Amino acid sequence: SQQGEEDPQALSIQEGENATMNCSYKTSINNLQWYRQNSGRGLVHLILIRSNEREKHSGRLRVTLDTSKKSSSLLITASRAADTASYFCATDANYGGSQGNLIFGKGTKLSVKP
Amino acid sequence: KAGVTQTPRYLIKTRGQQVTLSCSPISGHRSVSWYQQTPGQGLQFLFEYFSETQRNKGNFPGRFSGRQFSNSRSEMNVSTLELGDSALYLCASSGMTGAVIGYTFGSGTRLTVV
Repeated sequence: SQQGEEDPQALSIQEGENATMNCSYKTSINNLQWYRQNSGRGLVHLILIRSNEREKHSGRLRVTLDTSKKSSSLLITASRAADTASYFCATDANYGGSQGNLIFGKGTKLSVKP
Repeated sequence: KAGVTQTPRYLIKTRGQQVTLSCSPISGHRSVSWYQQTPGQGLQFLFEYFSETQRNKGNFPGRFSGRQFSNSRSEMNVSTLELGDSALYLCASSGMTGAVIGYTFGSGTRLTVV
């Protein structure tokens, strides 16, 4: 079952603009992760934010987490054509201590035009 | 170091046949998870193995099975293939047994059932 729901489903921007994607989830989590997928290939891990963190940065990426609203956002600043991809949030819920079960949202398809 | 290797990259099978997919995790990683990605259902968790033991299983029929070997390489098997099994199958490896720091995904196996 899908836990995360990304918003918007698709986003088209010009190079140099910022891109913001949002994710909502349903249950309590250990952490929330963002992944990128280029056209039907494997997922690339971008950033992980733990449930006790509110904001995290990595290069041009900024992730926020609001556990009271069960939501997260991913901001990509100064976007480039190479950022064109689908972006997924994934939650790692602690079901009785089990691991390895990431629950993904449906993704946001980002298109960055040169 | 080498990434996660999935073989084969592409596969075409006929309904009713069975198929075995292989995943070699990053050296030293002991956790391997499998996911199915389809346009309709998105990314769904299949199962996770750690040290040759299945620790977690998603909501898939018994036709989907897997195993992990002592060198951490993992295989998944789908028996009595159905058209709906056509998907991109991704495996991911992780070196952490406690707090997750993110998973490394392979490029996937694209299975087409005709």
